[in-house]
Amino acid sequence: ELKVEQNPLFLSMQEGKNYTIYCNYSTTSDRLYWYRQDPGKSLESLFVLLSNGAVKQEGRLMASLDTKARLSTLHITAAVHDLSATYFCTEVGRASGSRLTFGEGTQLTVNP
Amino acid sequence: DAGVTQSPTHLIKTRGQQVTLRCSPKSGHDTVSWYQQALGQGPQFIFQYYEEEERQRGNFPDRFSGHQFPNYSSELNVNALLLGDSALYLCASDSTSRGRSSDTQYFGPGTRLTVL
Repeated sequence: ELKVEQNPLFLSMQEGKNYTIYCNYSTTSDRLYWYRQDPGKSLESLFVLLSNGAVKQEGRLMASLDTKARLSTLHITAAVHDLSATYFCTEVGRASGSRLTFGEGTQLTVNP
Repeated sequence: DAGVTQSPTHLIKTRGQQVTLRCSPKSGHDTVSWYQQALGQGPQFIFQYYEEEERQRGNFPDRFSGHQFPNYSSELNVNALLLGDSALYLCASDSTSRGRSSDTQYFGPGTRLTVL
């Protein structure tokens, strides 16, 4: 059974600081995604990581994938208030078609 | 280019009733997945439709059923509603080519279902 674990689940940080969210997944995964969700809203795709060592960056966010360690990270650089949201890591197993297995999410609050 | 659309936006039902939610996939997509997201939780996979057939199913009871139409749009039906069915229901679409799905799933805005 696919399982995704994120930590921390809750993160409160000050503007301008850096931090990393960790995502561990349970099986040999075909793809790893990061999504953002604002309160009461739907999911917005941030990154798709397709291979070991993949690194993608968009603005203040950078995601990486280590398939050997079954670990993905989402690094936040110089956080700003607009980054406050819930971030989900999700994987697609090799035998799962495009079925997504989500973690609990990390609720990020960036304080001025 | 229209993204994934869902209707209705909000819905209030009482226990025991039945509900139908609708989803139109992003242009060019032929695969529709449905997820249930309870408050404070990550989305849980309900089922996926491709070529008008249920291709995969998550751990949801038979009260949850679906359908996909020739134009790739989809419906989610829930019978005998329970209080615990209150959640945000999300539809996601992607495309399947030569048996393999595309890289990214796009989510619709969701339908907020409240069961009283």
